[in-house]
Amino acid sequence: KNEVEQSPQNLTAQEGEFITINCSYSVGISALHWLQQHPGGGIVSLFMLSSGKKKHGRLIATINIQEKHSSLHITASHPRDSAVYICAVLSSGGGADGLTFGKGTHLIIQP
Amino acid sequence: KAGVTQTPRYLIKTRGQQVTLSCSPISGHRSVSWYQQTPGQGLQFLFEYFSETQRNKGNFPGRFSGRQFSNSRSEMNVSTLELGDSALYLCASSLSPDRSSYEQYFGPGTRLTVT
Repeated sequence: KNEVEQSPQNLTAQEGEFITINCSYSVGISALHWLQQHPGGGIVSLFMLSSGKKKHGRLIATINIQEKHSSLHITASHPRDSAVYICAVLSSGGGADGLTFGKGTHLIIQP
Repeated sequence: KAGVTQTPRYLIKTRGQQVTLSCSPISGHRSVSWYQQTPGQGLQFLFEYFSETQRNKGNFPGRFSGRQFSNSRSEMNVSTLELGDSALYLCASSLSPDRSSYEQYFGPGTRLTVT
């Protein structure tokens, strides 16, 4: 079982809709990242958070440490938001761990 | 500031050969991590270097190795290539490996195809 689970795997929505992508993890973490990957492979780090909520433009990320759950929200979605969104966690335990990644959510926003 | 750069961007190799990929981090960043991305396994952590020392290593065979130079540039090497090594290899740099400030900046990746 993957330590990081994302849902949904695929999401198609109409322009303007409010989008929510969920991430659940099973280990103690020191930080959670939300990443965006466009076709062609380039990855952009959207948020790094360890508690509460962060907002950047139309993007909002929240995390509930007790419930081991994070959500990424996109308000007023636009076709340029079409990408794969990846949740990744940094374990708080010892050992040789880098980031552990979810499988990603493939988002398509139709005009 | 220039972003993370990776060379080459595309590479085709034959089974049994070896390959070296290069990553230049953002100026001032001293930590470099490498990741492998495949359609089946997704993104997986390979290893992390800081101050020319390997700090962490993922669950990959010994054919995968790396190093970091004094200017923080890093290389990774894969020996005796297998078909399953075909993947997008990404490197990411950060100011330090401090877990409380682990913002990472990713390079564009090197797409390796093994035939």
